[in-house]
Amino acid sequence: NAGVMQNPRHLVRRRGQEARLRCSPMKGHSHVYWYRQLPEEGLKFMVYLQKENIIDESGMPKERFSAEFPKEGPSILRIQQVVRGDSAAYFCASSPSDTPSYGYTFGSGTRLTVV
Amino acid sequence: AQSVTQLDSQVPVFEEAPVELRCNYSSSVSVYLFWYVQYPNQGLQLLLKYLSGSTLVKGINGFEAEFNKSQTSFHLRKPSVHISDTAEYFCAVSAAGYSTLTFGKGTMLLVSP
Repeated sequence: NAGVMQNPRHLVRRRGQEARLRCSPMKGHSHVYWYRQLPEEGLKFMVYLQKENIIDESGMPKERFSAEFPKEGPSILRIQQVVRGDSAAYFCASSPSDTPSYGYTFGSGTRLTVV
Repeated sequence: AQSVTQLDSQVPVFEEAPVELRCNYSSSVSVYLFWYVQYPNQGLQLLLKYLSGSTLVKGINGFEAEFNKSQTSFHLRKPSVHISDTAEYFCAVSAAGYSTLTFGKGTMLLVSP
């Protein structure tokens, strides 16, 4: 009964490098959400995807950040040319439906540290 | 747009004492409400949710919450806490017809012996 799988759990990148965060949703879930958690700021919505489609990216920074959820394989959150301010915990959640009544199932997160 | 305010960033309590974690929300449309718990270095786990119907919602681990539409609140309560309840608790809201959840900043519940 695998839940939402995120990898890596911890990622260290030097400034200017690229970070790739992966998320495999629960079996049967086709809706994926990415959130970023900064200390004492709670979780901030970044992007909502369904298979091969970005549904809502209103929370994504305009530059350097991109996300995809291909037909096959995990969802990827990509951060290009990372800066210190990108250091945070990034959580992926999945849902079987676009109806919020189901709530989300969260992964354990990827903790990105930019040095 | 929706917003969530968690009034306390930290709540210290003694073991076996009752606790209430406060949550107020703002929305111009009807909402669904959620409480999640996050243990250190882990993801978020759903505690309970309010969709419709009875305003008193019971969740896992002995927690319950009451939806108060007039006060736009959804406070979380537990009559007797355990050390293992030490964690961060997040209130979240979703507007009917929207998929995304908006979270509060969280309340750290610190239970001491």
